[in-house]
Amino acid sequence: EAGVAQSPRYKIIEKRQSVAFWCNPISGHATLYWYQQILGQGPKLLIQFQNNGVVDDSQLPKDRFSAERLKGVDSTLKIQPAKLEDSAVYLCASSLVGTPGEQYFGPGTRLTVT
Amino acid sequence: KQEVTQIPAALSVPEGENLVLNCSFTDSAIYNLQWFRQDPGKGLTSLLLIQSSQREQTSGRLNASLDKSSGRSTLYIAASQPGDSATYLCAVVDSNYQLIWGAGTKLIIKP
Repeated sequence: EAGVAQSPRYKIIEKRQSVAFWCNPISGHATLYWYQQILGQGPKLLIQFQNNGVVDDSQLPKDRFSAERLKGVDSTLKIQPAKLEDSAVYLCASSLVGTPGEQYFGPGTRLTVT
Repeated sequence: KQEVTQIPAALSVPEGENLVLNCSFTDSAIYNLQWFRQDPGKGLTSLLLIQSSQREQTSGRLNASLDKSSGRSTLYIAASQPGDSATYLCAVVDSNYQLIWGAGTKLIIKP
């Protein structure tokens, strides 16, 4: 079974530029999560989708971050414009519905904002 | 508000030793607790999941315990190997079905 795929793996941009990350979850997983993990900290949930609907985006900085999952499969997370404090690893995870906590993680995208 | 704390933040031990990593949480109303491993440049791998009704789970050289009433969990690693070097994170699923994470313990096993 293929795991959660993410791209790119690494990205370096200057502040005020925009960037987009892509995630392809495990086939059949209706729930998709985006996390931000700053160095030395645990992951912080940015947004949770179930199929193509948003379940929780309470910690998403909506003035600069946006995410979509148009067909209920792949998802894109965008930052525009980026700030220095956005430097982090962005993790995508997926799970079956009704399995709280049993999430499968992708390798992450390491973003550096200079 | 649920908070998860992991102590120590970093640990370095010689190969072959048994060791214990600690995790504490402030609200005992959890659905389950997981221990994850994170290698540099890689994602998170789930090691053990303990349901709220369970006291422990074992997988190979790993044993995780859960004491909900005291808000504590431990991850015991037997006969440590250099390949065990990684960051270990603890996370609980709270009453809102969200994963709440600790900051992790960075483990180094010296050959």
